[in-house]
Amino acid sequence: DGGITQSPKYLFRKEGQNVTLSCEQNLNHDAMYWYRQDPGQGLRLIYYSQIVNDFQKGDIAEGYSVSREKKESFPLTVTSAQKNPTAFYLCASSFLYNEQFFGPGTRLTVL
Amino acid sequence: GDSVTQMEGPVTLSEEAFLTINCTYTATGYPSLFWYVQYPGEGLQLLLKATKADDKGSNKGFEATYRKETTSFHLEKGSVQVSDSAVYFCALKTGNQFYFGTGTSLTVIP
Repeated sequence: DGGITQSPKYLFRKEGQNVTLSCEQNLNHDAMYWYRQDPGQGLRLIYYSQIVNDFQKGDIAEGYSVSREKKESFPLTVTSAQKNPTAFYLCASSFLYNEQFFGPGTRLTVL
Repeated sequence: GDSVTQMEGPVTLSEEAFLTINCTYTATGYPSLFWYVQYPGEGLQLLLKATKADDKGSNKGFEATYRKETTSFHLEKGSVQVSDSAVYFCALKTGNQFYFGTGTSLTVIP
């Protein structure tokens, strides 16, 4: 089945730790995106990538990093510099100029 | 800049009631418009879309018409069900940029 997978579904981080959220798609989409969603809030764009080995900062990139070494994969690292990382993280992908499709999300909690 | 404004929630309706969730947009050029739905603890699912003025998107009993003259894309359903309880997001795309509204929470009670 074609789709977008995110893992893990739940993730717990201690203060000062870096954690990496996985996002994989088998839809052959060119573009991939990471969003953050806080309770009762809309989506805020963290990073996006339109092509392998290239990515751009979104509205709230500080404290996050990404890589795009393969077309299918766009992992997000939440670094210790992100002071308030507890949130629901959503990955999306699309063909260029088409609608986005979303993964099931990862809920990150800082202990 | 480009943006989407949607109706504040939460919205609570009785089963079989009529639903309208308002969405207006500001955009240069000719955007495509979308409605997404998010069930608790899940990602967003594309509900419907319209790519040009006067297009009507429809799916699962939901409809929305792309109105260029009023810059609107209101979501409607004639008879809601308990299973429609979710958060609904209006979105627009110009070029390869996406803009999402803040979401409207809908609860349908039996």
